[in-house]
Amino acid sequence: NAGVTQTPKFQVLKTGQSMTLQCAQDMNHNSMYWYRQDPGMGLRLIYYSASEGTTDKGEVPNGYNVSRLNKREFSLRLESAAPSQTSVYFCASSEESTYEQYFGPGTRLTVT
Amino acid sequence: KQEVTQIPAALSVPEGENLVLNCSFTDSAIYNLQWFRQDPGKGLTSLLLIQSSQREQTSGRLNASLDKSSGRSTLYIAASQPGDSATYLCAATGAGSYQLTFGKGTKLSVIP
Repeated sequence: NAGVTQTPKFQVLKTGQSMTLQCAQDMNHNSMYWYRQDPGMGLRLIYYSASEGTTDKGEVPNGYNVSRLNKREFSLRLESAAPSQTSVYFCASSEESTYEQYFGPGTRLTVT
Repeated sequence: KQEVTQIPAALSVPEGENLVLNCSFTDSAIYNLQWFRQDPGKGLTSLLLIQSSQREQTSGRLNASLDKSSGRSTLYIAASQPGDSATYLCAATGAGSYQLTFGKGTKLSVIP
């Protein structure tokens, strides 16, 4: 039981490049989330998906797109990366009864 | 909009001391409150979840309490150890919402 997994662990992009961050969970959770963590700002919600086929914006969605590929997988895409998107990105999933969230190990992204 | 505050931002204690970390939130209409631990360069590990109908939860040397009426939660760590050194985050799930709102964390250092 791996929990929540994320790939890649580290990535360096040049301004304007695109990339997709992958997330998968094996806990059969319906809800999945993408957060970013920045020094002094804490963790902020980018997008979430309450169930397969649905996605909703969180607090800071601009510059990002998401895809809920199936119940297990939730990807985050940066179409044209900007230095302001340098951050640590965390994926999470939650149980239906308690909404307890479980986090992946994170992706450290640097945009130069 | 929910706001979560953690004070102090950093705390240093000698090994063996009992300590309390504080968390306050502005909107008492929460579904649950979750405490996490984050080690440097790592993801978040869920420590305790308190449902809105509960007053406290315990796990080993950790005890978390919740007082919705005053908008406060505390995390009590008994007999602290150097291995407890980490950043502790609290987060509230709004009633009727999937979204977690995080505090900025308290960085704890336990000195041998």
